[in-house]
Amino acid sequence: EAGVAQSPRYKIIEKRQSVAFWCNPISGHATLYWYQQILGQGPKLLIQFQNNGVVDDSQLPKDRFSAERLKGVDSTLKIQPAKLEDSAVYLCASSLAAPTVPTFGSGTRLTVV
Amino acid sequence: AQTVTQSQPEMSVQEAETVTLSCTYDTSESNYYLFWYKQPPSRQMILVIRQEAYKQQNATENRFSVNFQKAAKSFSLKISDSQLGDTAMYFCARQRIQGAQKLVFGQGTRLTINP
Repeated sequence: EAGVAQSPRYKIIEKRQSVAFWCNPISGHATLYWYQQILGQGPKLLIQFQNNGVVDDSQLPKDRFSAERLKGVDSTLKIQPAKLEDSAVYLCASSLAAPTVPTFGSGTRLTVV
Repeated sequence: AQTVTQSQPEMSVQEAETVTLSCTYDTSESNYYLFWYKQPPSRQMILVIRQEAYKQQNATENRFSVNFQKAAKSFSLKISDSQLGDTAMYFCARQRIQGAQKLVFGQGTRLTINP
């Protein structure tokens, strides 16, 4: 089966600019996660969707980050405006209705300069 | 906060040796899942092994096995006959079964297998 697709693979932007990341989960996977992985640290959950509803967004900086999952399939994560500390890898993962093993994409490496 | 701790930032062994990576965690729940993920330079998190907390038997997957000590909240990964391709970051993670089932990750251990 096809894996979790993410794009772009790399992105460099200046602080205060906006950026968006896209994720296409494995077909049929109801649960979708966005994780932020700062260099040298483990991934941290930003938001979890069950179909197109939000299950957990307690660690999402809502003043600048937003995410949506229209029609319960693809998802987009947006940062507006970006800060230097947002430099990280953004990982998308999906799974059948939790709790099952999440499958991860290859992530987007964001550099904010 | 319920945390996962990996106390070894880096480890290095010779090819074909056995290596053990440590992980401890904190939880108030009696049932949950524990994982070891491997992250090579490609950045994709690859599942190595999974343990269900209600199962007493330690999980094994070919050269990979775990030592799960529920009372001590310890979950170590043993890699036998290590190979050059095992070089990667390794992350321990815990997942709740009820409620929001997010993965909580440790800080990672950078494992290098030397020829």
